[in-house]
Amino acid sequence: GESVGLHLPTLSVQEGDNSIINCAYSNSASDYFIWYKQESGKGPQFIIDIRSNMDKRQGQRVTVLLNKTVKHLSLQIAATQPGDSAVYFCAENRWNQGGKLIFGQGTELSVKP
Amino acid sequence: EAGVAQSPRYKIIEKRQSVAFWCNPISGHATLYWYQQILGQGPKLLIQFQNNGVVDDSQLPKDRFSAERLKGVDSTLKIQPAKLEDSAVYLCASRTPEGEQFFGPGTRLTVL
Repeated sequence: GESVGLHLPTLSVQEGDNSIINCAYSNSASDYFIWYKQESGKGPQFIIDIRSNMDKRQGQRVTVLLNKTVKHLSLQIAATQPGDSAVYFCAENRWNQGGKLIFGQGTELSVKP
Repeated sequence: EAGVAQSPRYKIIEKRQSVAFWCNPISGHATLYWYQQILGQGPKLLIQFQNNGVVDDSQLPKDRFSAERLKGVDSTLKIQPAKLEDSAVYLCASRTPEGEQFFGPGTRLTVL
């Protein structure tokens, strides 16, 4: 069936290094994706989004890349900080179905000081 | 601006008991969602409201789960009777007219 999934359940990086979290999707018609950060005991928090008419979008210390050919997107975090430690989800936003979100499994990012 | 409020934050019940969760969305948000997040997984949509009407409840186990949003503001989600596999975090979210969803902190349910 249609799904959104992440490649690795856990990622450990050194403080100051760059982090890359990957996500794959199966539906070639999917055209809007969002990355969320979820800290322990909290709900998911919006980080950055990208639509299919773009290959790349940058925010503050974060970049999302979308490769529609291989149905893959990634979240890059520059100069990772301890406060970045959390679970990261990619989600497909089905804007034409009331905006419901289809989440992947999540990658837990641990930042070592 | 106040965020999405949920209560209780934690609930422990025995199987076959009933439980209810409450959500107060961000003021003015017409669209409200309930998600279920099982440990180690991403959230899964249970039901979506537009004002006080149900837009999508295709993933809601209707034999035991019910939800309402009578006045188009607050919402409650009920489970009756609960099963062990209902142990999860129940997240409420509301959406701006532009499409951004804001999540509450969730209610962690443990069914023993």
